[in-house]
Amino acid sequence: EVQLVETGGGLIQPGGSLRLSCAASGFPVSSNHMSWVRQAPGKGLEWVSLIYSGGGTYYADSVKGRFTISRDNSKNTLYLQMNSLRAEDTAVYYCASGGGEYFQHWGQGTLVTVSS
Amino acid sequence: DIQMTQSPSSLSASVGDRVTITCRASQGISSWLAWYQQKPEKAPKSLIYAASSLQSGVPSRFSGSGSGTDFTLTISSLQPEDFATYYCQQYNSFPLTFGGGTKVEIK
Repeated sequence: EVQLVETGGGLIQPGGSLRLSCAASGFPVSSNHMSWVRQAPGKGLEWVSLIYSGGGTYYADSVKGRFTISRDNSKNTLYLQMNSLRAEDTAVYYCASGGGEYFQHWGQGTLVTVSS
Repeated sequence: DIQMTQSPSSLSASVGDRVTITCRASQGISSWLAWYQQKPEKAPKSLIYAASSLQSGVPSRFSGSGSGTDFTLTISSLQPEDFATYYCQQYNSFPLTFGGGTKVEIK
């Protein structure tokens, strides 16, 4: 059974950094496309970043240059390094996986709050 | 960027009703469209991919259709557990984009 468990969220001051983790089980992260999708409070879904099984990465313009997606195949874990955080980055961050660029499996999400 | 426009943004329906949600892309996306269901305080759930392919385990009352720019999600007979918010998503090109959502409420 596929399972995705996100950790690392919390309260952080504007300009700060945070690293989110997504521990996967039931499949190897190295052989799947993996994404981060976020949802601001009371708002819709916003794609953040994707890493292909081959290692290529893509980012939303809103986070390009500030966020970095990566994975550790030995730990079967996906990461999102978030730097220069802004109030508008406040959201629940979901890890998602799938056979393509859509999101077949989702984690439960982790809340990131950027506030002073 | 490809803009995804869903309509309506909300609707009220009764158990047993047939419900149709529309999603329009700002440019052609072939059949690279997915639909998701989200209940309050829960993660989204994948329903349909490739515009009309039902995800494993999803009830057959859900169906998707369309190609190019116009797509629909149909629930043939609304059940109590179907009251939720539904999102479409295009994966024709980056950035991947979602529609604004359609909230299906109980009449």
